Amino acid sequence: AQKITQTQPGMFVQEKEAVTLDCTYDTSDQSYGLFWYKQPSSGEMIFLIYQGSYDEQNATEGRYSLNFQKARKSANLVISASQLGDSAMYFCAMAPFRSGYSTLTFGKGTMLLVSP
Amino acid sequence: DTAVSQTPKYLVTQMGNDKSIKCEQNLGHDTMYWYKQDSKKFLKIMFSYNNKELIINETVPNRFSPKSPDKAHLNLHINSLELGDSAVYFCASSRLAGGTEETQYFGPGTRLLVL
Repeated sequence: AQKITQTQPGMFVQEKEAVTLDCTYDTSDQSYGLFWYKQPSSGEMIFLIYQGSYDEQNATEGRYSLNFQKARKSANLVISASQLGDSAMYFCAMAPFRSGYSTLTFGKGTMLLVSP
Repeated sequence: DTAVSQTPKYLVTQMGNDKSIKCEQNLGHDTMYWYKQDSKKFLKIMFSYNNKELIINETVPNRFSPKSPDKAHLNLHINSLELGDSAVYFCASSRLAGGTEETQYFGPGTRLLVL
């Protein structure tokens, strides 16, 4: 079974600052994928970034980067230069490769508020 | 040019009614999913279909029945609605399961309220 833990129910950051959203996971699978999604107040789920368990380099997508520490089973999301539009709920998720990444397990989410 | 669309966006109904939520994707994906997001924002997979065949069926009451007429559509039919069914239901799709980096793309969600 997979388990995702997001220990920060809420985070505050000032505009233009960087913020790190924590995510730890538990799995017995050797090959898996890690995903981050953003859910703004409008409700849609927006894919942000993906990291494969065998990827040696941390994934980056624009202002988003994933700080992947496999030995610690952590996959923290780093948002650089926060913008007001980054205020949203952020979900970490994982899926084992053996399922074709079809069985996504989500964490409980972290609410990020960006202030001017 | 919406990638994954759902109808309706909002659904308010009485207990005991039967309702359907429709989902369509134009991404050419082979796998589609239904998720339920509860009032505490927790997301949990309900069903997954690969090329019209059911591949995941989590512990969901059999009042919920997915139907996939073709690989671009996955509808969710709910019989005898209960108060606890109130939630946001998300449809998602991804490329053929078994590959790498099979990111799931989500629809806008359907907000169901059972009175």
